[in-house]
Amino acid sequence: DARVTQTPRHKVTEMGQEVTMRCQPILGHNTVFWYRQTMMQGLELLAYFRNRAPLDDSGMPKDRFSAEMPDATLATLKIQPSEPRDSAVYFCASGLVTGPGSFGNTIYFGEGSWLTVV
Amino acid sequence: GQQLNQSPQSMFIQEGEDVSMNCTSSSIFNTWLWYKQDPGEGPVLLIALYKAGELTSNGRLTAQFGITRKDSFLNISASIPSDVGIYFCAGRIPQGGKLIFGQGTELSVKP
Repeated sequence: DARVTQTPRHKVTEMGQEVTMRCQPILGHNTVFWYRQTMMQGLELLAYFRNRAPLDDSGMPKDRFSAEMPDATLATLKIQPSEPRDSAVYFCASGLVTGPGSFGNTIYFGEGSWLTVV
Repeated sequence: GQQLNQSPQSMFIQEGEDVSMNCTSSSIFNTWLWYKQDPGEGPVLLIALYKAGELTSNGRLTAQFGITRKDSFLNISASIPSDVGIYFCAGRIPQGGKLIFGQGTELSVKP
């Protein structure tokens, strides 16, 4: 059963430390999203990639966050240095988008990385 | 920027009742997706809608893609306790494919 895999599932870290979250999208999917979920803001889009190229990272604090896709099977989200306000659940999602007019593209989520920065 | 307004925010219903929730926006979308999220889990896709006017069912769930492409609704018929959770709508923007989410509807079902 194909699914999006995220690691770590849970992470507690001290303020100032670097945090790296990893995502393995579903094989064959060409679009990868990073979302952050908090009680206050709901699901916020941080960044997304199409065919490994970043399309939009306007939702991401640029000074401390970075997102990359080193290859088609791995997406990373890095926070350096981490702050308590970064505590949230970070979701990766992937989908297959075949063009601006395409409609056969559903998007599936991983189980999330639960981050606590103390 | 694009925003989705999802309502209601929460619902408390009796088992067996029908449920309806909706999302509206001032922006046009080319795909509407409905997800359910259980505590401690990621959102799970329930229904996907791809064209204006489309009405799609998945068991007791029915969703429609509004004719104006700016809204969608989800109905759950004959609710059961395992329907409890948070339901999210999501719309995909035509240019670029960005997917944005509503704020969620928290559903509680009393046996």
